Formats: sequence, C-alpha cells, structure tokens
Amino acid sequence: GDSVTQMEGPVTLSEEAFLTINCTYTATGYPSLFWYVQYPGEGLQLLLKATKADDKGSNKGFEATYRKETTSFHLEKGSVQVSDSAVYFCALYNQGGKLIFGQGTELSVKP
Amino acid sequence: EAGVAQSPRYKIIEKRQSVAFWCNPISGHATLYWYQQILGQGPKLLIQFQNNGVVDDSQLPKDRFSAERLKGVDSTLKIQPAKLEDSAVYLCASSLGTASVEQFFGPGTRLTVL
Repeated sequence: GDSVTQMEGPVTLSEEAFLTINCTYTATGYPSLFWYVQYPGEGLQLLLKATKADDKGSNKGFEATYRKETTSFHLEKGSVQVSDSAVYFCALYNQGGKLIFGQGTELSVKP
Repeated sequence: EAGVAQSPRYKIIEKRQSVAFWCNPISGHATLYWYQQILGQGPKLLIQFQNNGVVDDSQLPKDRFSAERLKGVDSTLKIQPAKLEDSAVYLCASSLGTASVEQFFGPGTRLTVL
C-alpha cells in the first residue's frame, strides 16, 4: 500500500542552523505531497504542499521540492529559529483520496 | 474564519469506561474526518463522512468505536468500552469536499486510558 517514510527524530539544532528533514514515499500514480507542522499542544497545520512533479512548495522560509525520480519531498530551511521547534509530518494524498502520514520528526531548536 | 473546534481537549478514563468526543468543522465543509494519532506515530484515518453519510470506515474498530454526523455538520466519536491501547490524540479534520486535497485540522482530544 501507499506509505511515507521520514527520517527519525528528534533532530536538535542550534538557532540559525540549516535544516533538512528527509521524506520519501511509495504510491501509485502521482500523489499530492504535503508537510504539516504540529506545535506543542496544537493541531496539525499545513506548512506547504506540491501537487505535481518538480513543483516547489514554500512557506515561512521552509521549502520542499516534489522529486518524482527519487520519490522524495525533503523539507529544508536555511536558518531555523527557536520558534520552529515542533513535530513535522510528511504526507501524501493518494489516488484513493486518502491522506497518509509519515511517523513525524521532532525538531528542537536551541538558542 | 473559525477553525475546526473539538472538545474536550483532554480526557482521562479507566479501561472499560466509555467516552465521547465532539467536533465542529469549518462552516461549509462537507467532508469530515476522524484520525487517531498514537504517540510517536502519524495520524491514521478512522472514518470519513461526506455530509451525513459515511464514505470510509474501513479502519474503524467497529466493535468498540462508533461515530455519527446526523445533521451533516458536527460529529461525535464514541469509544465503548475503552482499552489501554486507545490512549491517543483524536484529531478531527474537515475539507470542502471529498475531492479537496487540503484538510484543516482541529486541536485534537488527548485521551488517556488507565
């Protein structure tokens, strides 16, 4: 079945460091891809999305590019802040209309 | 625009007790979803409604879980009787329709079963 695999956390970085969170997927056809963020005590918020190959989603300094050839959608940010500390989920929306999530990656940014 | 509302935010019960969660989706959203998020895992779909009809409940443990959306607006998810492994965050989400890619999530209800 369709699935999403994320790099394991927790990831601990110093403020202003470069962030990469890896995400790969398995799916039939061409799913839409998402990154959601979950701040402590809050629900999931959509961070960015890409709906077709080579699309780049971006928001709040975060970026991810839909790479069909490597079935990947890695999340990047050039300079993280303490306020970026959260759990990040990669997800795909498949042909059957289902949203399938990875296991989440916890990010902790230290001042 | 108001987001997806859920209550209660936290609930602690003993095993074999029953519990109910409530969700009010974004106004005008026809599709409503209930997800279960176990600690350290991503959310997993339990049930999906389109208006007041069930679209998909294949992952709902029907021997103990039930859900309804009688008037096609708010929804209730019930667990009876609860087991220890039901401890999780229960997330409600809504979207404009079944073909809508983007889902909007509520804050969730954290259930602890002792």
